Amino acid sequence: GAVVSQHPSWVICKSGTSVKIECRSLDFQATTMFWYRQFPKQSLMLMATSNEGSKATYEQGVEKDKFLINHASLTLSTLTVTSAHPEDSSFYICSASQASGGGKRPTQYFGPGTRLLVL
Amino acid sequence: GENVEQHPSTLSVQEGDSAVIKCTYSDSASNYFPWYKQELGKRPQLIIDIRSNVGEKKDQRIAVTLNKTAKHFSLHITETQPEDSAVYFCAASTGNQFYFGTGTSLTVIP
Repeated sequence: GAVVSQHPSWVICKSGTSVKIECRSLDFQATTMFWYRQFPKQSLMLMATSNEGSKATYEQGVEKDKFLINHASLTLSTLTVTSAHPEDSSFYICSASQASGGGKRPTQYFGPGTRLLVL
Repeated sequence: GENVEQHPSTLSVQEGDSAVIKCTYSDSASNYFPWYKQELGKRPQLIIDIRSNVGEKKDQRIAVTLNKTAKHFSLHITETQPEDSAVYFCAASTGNQFYFGTGTSLTVIP
């Protein structure tokens, strides 16, 4: 199946700093990438949907100035947590989706996740 | 937007028994319903999916049913094994976005 990588897998940072997380589709072109946040023992909460070359669509309650998303190419999307605070500590997972046209199912492939700890 | 509800939140079954997880969705435009298995600390893995033009799909010990009229779909695991223990998520998609259920923590007792 398709492979999605995410970097870094772990990051610890001081409060007030910014952290950038990369999501890459390694063997396919992802027309759409999704960013999720997952708290321990809870579901994946969709934060935003990003399409290559256009602005990300943020879910209600997600601060776009806090969580900056850039989808620079068909294989790379980045999430930057700006001025991170302890409450931003979480597990962030990206996923990439191939085009769903032509009767294909809109399958999404998940990255391995990034665990962020803000001290 | 779409609202996906999932029940139960936890489920314990004896090895060999069946497990059933149910989800409901609110957006009638949703037409694709994947199920994911997530083991602790790992990424979700797609285990089975169904499209809205199909009522049931089976893959070995796993099956999914969809009732489009009632807007609910279910995951059935038969002959459960300890390695089936994980958190399972349902999701609903219109093709552009995916919305997840709250997850079911399944424990298969040997």
